[in-house]
Amino acid sequence: GIQVEQSPPDLILQEGANSTLRCNFSDSVNNLQWFHQNPWGQLINLFYIPSGTKQNGRLSATTVATERYSLLYISSSQTTDSGVYFCAVEGGNEKLTFGTGTRLTIIP
Amino acid sequence: GAVVSQHPSWVICKSGTSVKIECRSLDFQATTMFWYRQFPKQSLMLMATSNEGSKATYEQGVEKDKFLINHASLTLSTLTVTSAHPEDSSFYICSARVAGTYEQYFGPGTRLTVT
Repeated sequence: GIQVEQSPPDLILQEGANSTLRCNFSDSVNNLQWFHQNPWGQLINLFYIPSGTKQNGRLSATTVATERYSLLYISSSQTTDSGVYFCAVEGGNEKLTFGTGTRLTIIP
Repeated sequence: GAVVSQHPSWVICKSGTSVKIECRSLDFQATTMFWYRQFPKQSLMLMATSNEGSKATYEQGVEKDKFLINHASLTLSTLTVTSAHPEDSSFYICSARVAGTYEQYFGPGTRLTVT
């Protein structure tokens, strides 16, 4: 099946800093989604982005499908951005495969 | 955006009993729902795909007789953990696909503890 790798596994930043999270995948995809899992476990949809670039406030994402990677940018980090960020992809079998996640900690 | 609910949000049960978890799409119809399991500090693992009106498709290694899935309507799927044991303790999360798209929306999860 399709493989998904995320980096870095852990990231600790000062409030106000910018960050870039990366997601590499091993095959062509119909679906790529970025999620933020908050401390209570809820997965929050950030982006549906199988290709191209999208922006939503301080967050933006870019997927280069031909090179099989996606980047999530967080600017001017806030403590509420802390949590685990997951990339998940679907390669044509209707099933999302999740990466191992990036644990982001924002220090006041 | 689309909203998915789960009930209960947490449950404690005794070993040998069964537990039912409900997953509902509140403002859209979902022909396909999915059930995931997440252990502490790990990623989500797909357990099964639930299609309305047909039998669920289970991932390799998931016991279909232990994890019973019913998708009786376009807005409701249920997962029943039968004869639960402590090793079934985990965080169970459902998702629903918006019809006509590939995008999935997730419920808030159910934390199951089996004593």
